[in-house]
Amino acid sequence: KQEVTQIPAALSVPEGENLVLNCSFTDSAIYNLQWFRQDPGKGLTSLLLIQSSQREQTSGRLNASLDKSSGRSTLYIAASQPGDSATYLCAVPGASGSRLTFGEGTQLTVNP
Amino acid sequence: DTAVSQTPKYLVTQMGNDKSIKCEQNLGHDTMYWYKQDSKKFLKIMFSYNNKELIINETVPNRFSPKSPDKAHLNLHINSLELGDSAVYFCASSLPGQGQFFGPGTRLTVL
Repeated sequence: KQEVTQIPAALSVPEGENLVLNCSFTDSAIYNLQWFRQDPGKGLTSLLLIQSSQREQTSGRLNASLDKSSGRSTLYIAASQPGDSATYLCAVPGASGSRLTFGEGTQLTVNP
Repeated sequence: DTAVSQTPKYLVTQMGNDKSIKCEQNLGHDTMYWYKQDSKKFLKIMFSYNNKELIINETVPNRFSPKSPDKAHLNLHINSLELGDSAVYFCASSLPGQGQFFGPGTRLTVL
């Protein structure tokens, strides 16, 4: 059974810092890995999708890497801003490529 | 707008009632899902439909019954609501092997 763990559970940084969020998964036979952002009381916004054949994906100040063999992914946020404050979730699909197993998220606070 | 939409956004009801949540996607996706986010913010799959056929049914009480009238719609009906059903329910959709897109969620409160 796939298990997804995210570290740290919470992170508070001053504006402008570069930061790394970590995600690990127990079953490396994944099709892809997806990073989401969730603002309080809101839905999930997809940030990045990395296919199993890729090692990284970039979107603006965000860069996600994937190391399938070690069961790890990182989300790098450059030059953090207060607007980046949210909960960041990573998720991997099951063997059939459908259902997502989520980590418990990292709650990020960027202080002005 | 191309998106996944859910109605209602908020639902407050008494124990024992029956209620439905509706989901629609106009993204042309084949697969739709229902997830539950509990009070600890943990997201867990409930159901998945592919082209109107049920393909995933997690360990969910049979008071929960999904229905997919067509590929673009997946509704969730809940009978005899209990206090523990209070949560945020998210609908999502995807193409095979691609990322999932989520709706805004329906916050269900059972009193």
